[in-house]
Amino acid sequence: DIQMTQSPSSLSASVGDRVTITCRASQSITSYLNWYQQKPGEAPKVLIYDASTLQSGVPSRFSGSGSGTDFTLTISSLQPEDFATYYCQQSYSTPMYTFGQGTKLEIK
Amino acid sequence: QVQLVQSGAEVKRPGASVKVSCKASGYTFTNYAMHWVRQAPGQRLEWMGWINAGNGNTKYSQKFQGRVTITRDTSASTAYMELSSLRSEDTAVYYCARETTAGTWDWFDPWGQGTLVTVSA
Repeated sequence: DIQMTQSPSSLSASVGDRVTITCRASQSITSYLNWYQQKPGEAPKVLIYDASTLQSGVPSRFSGSGSGTDFTLTISSLQPEDFATYYCQQSYSTPMYTFGQGTKLEIK
Repeated sequence: QVQLVQSGAEVKRPGASVKVSCKASGYTFTNYAMHWVRQAPGQRLEWMGWINAGNGNTKYSQKFQGRVTITRDTSASTAYMELSSLRSEDTAVYYCARETTAGTWDWFDPWGQGTLVTVSA
């Protein structure tokens, strides 16, 4: 199975900050990488697929990059509604789409 | 609109089985695969398995092989996930999620609202 590892596991930041979250795959997944946002008590919501393609309706302050084994999610200017947990997911190993352990983004 | 609605919360004894349903609406059910994902309290999202809603083919995570069965009823546009031999560690929120595709890329959207399964003596 492909293992996904995120860092950091948690992060404190302020409104307006630029934040970067990293995801590493245990083997190359080319660009088959998705990012999700999950708020407490809610189901996850897709932000980015294909490592860097923004899902329709997602604000442009979110961006993704990377290929192979190393990927990043960047939020250019944190807004109050962005405080949540973020997960990466590989969609290379069809259909066994495993997730990272999550990064909890908290208000400083 | 595209929507997945899951069945309600369950409380089960250790050793019992649970069956969670996921009713789809707003799209042609047989044209999309459905995945099941669980999330134990404070834990990561964990992929459990998948069903091709068109032909009924399934694949399961090695971790749940032998305990999980995913089925579908095309006439009711509903997918089911049954987990047997429940133990306390199976206490979690269980989600269904539709596989959406663009070109060769897949992601999960939408998700059901989640079903809390509590395993307790």
